[in-house]
Amino acid sequence: DTEVTQTPKHLVMGMTNKKSLKCEQHMGHRAMYWYKQKAKKPPELMFVYSYEKLSINESVPSRFSPECPNSSLLNLHLHALQPEDSALYLCASSQGSVSGYEQYFGPGTRLTVT
Amino acid sequence: KNEVEQSPQNLTAQEGEFITINCSYSVGISALHWLQQHPGGGIVSLFMLSSGKKKHGRLIATINIQEKHSSLHITASHPRDSAVYICAVKAGTASKLTFGTGTRLQVTL
Repeated sequence: DTEVTQTPKHLVMGMTNKKSLKCEQHMGHRAMYWYKQKAKKPPELMFVYSYEKLSINESVPSRFSPECPNSSLLNLHLHALQPEDSALYLCASSQGSVSGYEQYFGPGTRLTVT
Repeated sequence: KNEVEQSPQNLTAQEGEFITINCSYSVGISALHWLQQHPGGGIVSLFMLSSGKKKHGRLIATINIQEKHSSLHITASHPRDSAVYICAVKAGTASKLTFGTGTRLQVTL
C-alpha cells in the first residue's frame, strides 16, 4: 500500500467554524507533512512531524493546529479561518524526514472559507 | 532569484512529440524530485534522483550534479500527460523540499 489518503476531498467552512482535515498512511512512514497550495503556485510547507513530534512549524498562524495522534495519522485542526486561507491542503509522508527519502503525497483537501 | 528555476513555464505539444522540461538549482542538494500534478488534483511523485538517470515507462529523468541541472523527458507524449510538472530539491540534510514554480504542459491531439 503506497497510498496517502486525505479526507474530506472538499470542505466549505465559515470564518467562525471549527473543522479538521485528516490524513492517513499505512506505509510505516515516520515523517508526515502538511502543505498549503494556492492556485497556480507551488506547495508551501506548513508543518513537519517526525516520529509523532512536531519538528518544523513554518511560522503558520495559530488558527491552524496540527496533531499527530499516532504514526499513521495526521490531523489539521482549523478555527477562525480567513477567506485567504482558501487553498488546496496537501498531506505527504516519507520514511524519514532527512534527505534521501521520497515524499508520497495525498490527493489533497480543497478548502473554501466563506 | 528562486533557488529552483524551471523552464519553460508553459509548453504546448502535439501528441507524439518528445518533450523536455528543465530544472536548474543554485544550492547543494541531496536529492531532486520530479512531481506531476493534474488540474485540481493531488501530487504524484515521478522520480527522486541524486545522480545519473532514471526511466519509468515513457518518462526519463536525468541529473547533472556538477552543473546543478536536471531534465525530465517525455517520449511519445499523449494528452493524458497534460499536467503541471514540478521540480523540487532537498538541500543538504534539510527536511523540507524547495519547489520550482512548475511547468504547465498541454498535449493536444
